[in-house]
Amino acid sequence: RKEVEQDPGPFNVPEGATVAFNCTYSNSASQSFFWYRQDCRKEPKLLMSVYSSGNEDGRFTAQLNRASQYISLLIRDSKLSDSATYLCVVDNTDKLIFGTGTRLQVFP
Amino acid sequence: DAMVIQNPRYQVTQFGKPVTLSCSQTLNHNVMYWYQQKSSQAPKLLFHYYDKDFNNEADTPDNFQSRRPNTSFCFLDIRSPGLGDAAMYLCATSRGLAGGTAYEQYFGPGTRLTVT
Repeated sequence: RKEVEQDPGPFNVPEGATVAFNCTYSNSASQSFFWYRQDCRKEPKLLMSVYSSGNEDGRFTAQLNRASQYISLLIRDSKLSDSATYLCVVDNTDKLIFGTGTRLQVFP
Repeated sequence: DAMVIQNPRYQVTQFGKPVTLSCSQTLNHNVMYWYQQKSSQAPKLLFHYYDKDFNNEADTPDNFQSRRPNTSFCFLDIRSPGLGDAAMYLCATSRGLAGGTAYEQYFGPGTRLTVT
């Protein structure tokens, strides 16, 4: 089983749609969870950290379910500029493990 | 404003010709990481420095070496690049560890390596 698994997509959604990505992780001892965004041929950029209680940043909501070992990212009112690959990232002691990412394409 | 800087942004080298990629940071972070990323794949950790302590991943080939002369700079040396080493090389930094778990990482723009 991969340490971090994501649906690769692509998710093709119209502007204004709500889209959700899920991610599962294998290490029950993981403590830190993040979502990164990566544009084509660019570096990953931190989108948000994921806290146990769930957290929201504008149109983005992240949730963590420790019992089931999954993390979700919800994007409301999708914009064309949200088109990117979203990487689920989980810590393993002193390093971060990256998922392969879920590709989102928002169309007009 | 740039916090993690990588040079060069694009590097072309010949098969077997050594190449060095550089990374510098203005964040004063303790930890610096080197990743290799190929198309449609997750970034793959090669090694990292926690201050001066070097930590190599078990599956990182001996062909890849690193140096960290001071807090701000870190180098990736590829001693004999092969065609399979063509990739984006990403440098990242983080504050370190909190109770044994990793903080978020901040990435440089990457160096795209082509091997001819």
